[in-house]
Amino acid sequence: GAVVSQHPSRVICKSGTSVKIECRSLDFQATTMFWYRQFPKQSLMLMATSNEGSKATYEQGVEKDKFLINHASLTLSTLTVTSAHPEDSSFYICSARSGGAKGEQFFGPGTRLTVL
Amino acid sequence: GQSLEQPSEVTAVEGAIVQINCTYQTSGFYGLSWYQQHDGGAPTFLSYNALDGLEETGRFSSFLSRSDSYGYLLLQELQMKDSASYFCAVRDSNYQLIWGAGTKLIIKP
Repeated sequence: GAVVSQHPSRVICKSGTSVKIECRSLDFQATTMFWYRQFPKQSLMLMATSNEGSKATYEQGVEKDKFLINHASLTLSTLTVTSAHPEDSSFYICSARSGGAKGEQFFGPGTRLTVL
Repeated sequence: GQSLEQPSEVTAVEGAIVQINCTYQTSGFYGLSWYQQHDGGAPTFLSYNALDGLEETGRFSSFLSRSDSYGYLLLQELQMKDSASYFCAVRDSNYQLIWGAGTKLIIKP
């Protein structure tokens, strides 16, 4: 199957700093990428959907100024957590979809963010 | 609203068979998927049902009944490595994945 990578896999930062997470589709062009966060023992919560070259669509309750998403190319999307706080500590997972709305979704390995 | 219901936890014995149910209520339906997630890892795709019936892939099978808005994941010949959380997810009318809360499968020797 298709491969989606995320970098870094794990990051620890101080409160108030910004953290950038990259999501790459390695062997296919991802017209749409999704960003999820997952707290321990909970399901995935969709944060935002991004289409290449356009602004991301954020889910209700997700602050777009805090979670900056850039989908500059068909193989790369970035999520920047600005002014991170301990409550932002979570598992962030990206997913990439090819072939239009009915295309299969492939998940990245996730990034564990810990904010001290 | 949209919702998927699945048991929070299921316990089974190694070598046995276990079924994880999922009922859904969504705006539109374009298929039911199952994902496996081990602690600390990302979800991995297991199966997809768009039509009624049973789909078999090795030790795992998935069933769908659209008239009942119901599906299940069947795991046979359980192995310790199958201990994980299992999520059902429905693709709605916007082709977005709507996720269940997940079922933690505990396997005892």
